Amino acid sequence: RKEVEQDPGPFNVPEGATVAFNCTYSNSASQSFFWYRQDCRKEPKLLMSVYSSGNEDGRFTAQLNRASQYISLLIRDSKLSDSATYLCVVISVTGGFKTIFGAGTRLFVKA
Amino acid sequence: ETGVTQSPTHLIKTRGQQVTLRCSSQSGHNTVSWYQQALGQGPQFIFQYYREEENGRGNFPPRFSGLQFPNYSSELNVNALELDDSALYLCASSSGTGGIYEQYFGPGTRLTVT
Repeated sequence: RKEVEQDPGPFNVPEGATVAFNCTYSNSASQSFFWYRQDCRKEPKLLMSVYSSGNEDGRFTAQLNRASQYISLLIRDSKLSDSATYLCVVISVTGGFKTIFGAGTRLFVKA
Repeated sequence: ETGVTQSPTHLIKTRGQQVTLRCSSQSGHNTVSWYQQALGQGPQFIFQYYREEENGRGNFPPRFSGLQFPNYSSELNVNALELDDSALYLCASSSGTGGIYEQYFGPGTRLTVT
């Protein structure tokens, strides 16, 4: 089993749609969680930190469920510019710092 | 504020050779992490340096080594290059204090091993 697993995708949605990304992690001692977006042949860019209380930034909402070891990202009112790969990231510090990226889910938003 | 920079942008090496990649962290950041990203996959954590010491390591062999300098810039060295080492190598910096682990990435170095 992979340490961090994401929906394989790709997701193809029309403009204006709501799309949800899911991610599960195996290490219950994981400490910090993030969503990054990566455009083709570019570096990953930080999108949001993820907290148990949930956090929202405009059209984006992220949620963490520690009991189920699950994080999610919801994008409302999708724009063409949201087309990218979305990567979930899990960090643990027990026994040494370690960052695990999911494989990413590709999103295509169409006009 | 200066972002993360990496050099070179592209590099072609032959199997068995050695390579050094460089990274300058974002101003105010004292922690640097290195990642390898193969096509179609997420970045794989190689190691992290905090205040010139290795602070964590992923599942990479010892021929992957690194350094961090007093100005917090960093190098990734790879010895005895193999064809599978062809990938995008990313450097990310963070402040590394107070449990703040938000990492900011440089544009990467694309390494091709022939």
